[in-house]
Amino acid sequence: GAVVSQHPSWVICKSGTSVKIECRSLDFQATTMFWYRQFPKQSLMLMATSNEGSKATYEQGVEKDKFLINHASLTLSTLTVTSAHPEDSSFYICSARLQGLDEQYFGPGTRLTVT
Amino acid sequence: TQLLEQSPQFLSIQEGENLTVYCNSSSVFSSLQWYRQEPGEGPVLLVTVVTGGEVKKLKRLTFQFGDARKDSSLHITAAQPGDTGLYLCAGARIGGKSTFGDGTTLTVKP
Repeated sequence: GAVVSQHPSWVICKSGTSVKIECRSLDFQATTMFWYRQFPKQSLMLMATSNEGSKATYEQGVEKDKFLINHASLTLSTLTVTSAHPEDSSFYICSARLQGLDEQYFGPGTRLTVT
Repeated sequence: TQLLEQSPQFLSIQEGENLTVYCNSSSVFSSLQWYRQEPGEGPVLLVTVVTGGEVKKLKRLTFQFGDARKDSSLHITAAQPGDTGLYLCAGARIGGKSTFGDGTTLTVKP
């Protein structure tokens, strides 16, 4: 149980284009999902907290107009990187949390490369 | 800002050796999780500790939560190459976001 999927697993795009990443909880309903960014051999950097039916809460320094988050249902959250630039290249990981519990269940991650 | 200091940052050992990873904070957490992540994949939950002083065992892995619920440790006995990965601790507060440690990159050489 508590499986989270992410799509795509990797994507290469040209500078200036937008990329959408999907995060789905497959066997449970997630009222809260989190989006992280991770650099090689480093820990997770929280970008935003996504709550179903409400606006996402962004961490300090994360541009909300550049990283658009939509949590349209209890099983789906999306992250859209708008006007991507090479510095946006990274490993993006989502997680989902069951209501009332502290544990997070992570997706397999999406490797974004912007050329 | 709640900080969770994790040490050591890097650890390279031979197969069969024992090791301990520490996670320390000045803040009290409602629970603490340990995750293991392999390259190119998402973190996988290993354990949750909730009660101060709690000890949980998962095969060769022993997890302990400090009495004051501010710190935790992960001890691996007789490490194997399959234990190689990035170990992350995360402190949780009820209804809030988790605070992650900086991670410990463990390499177990055969």
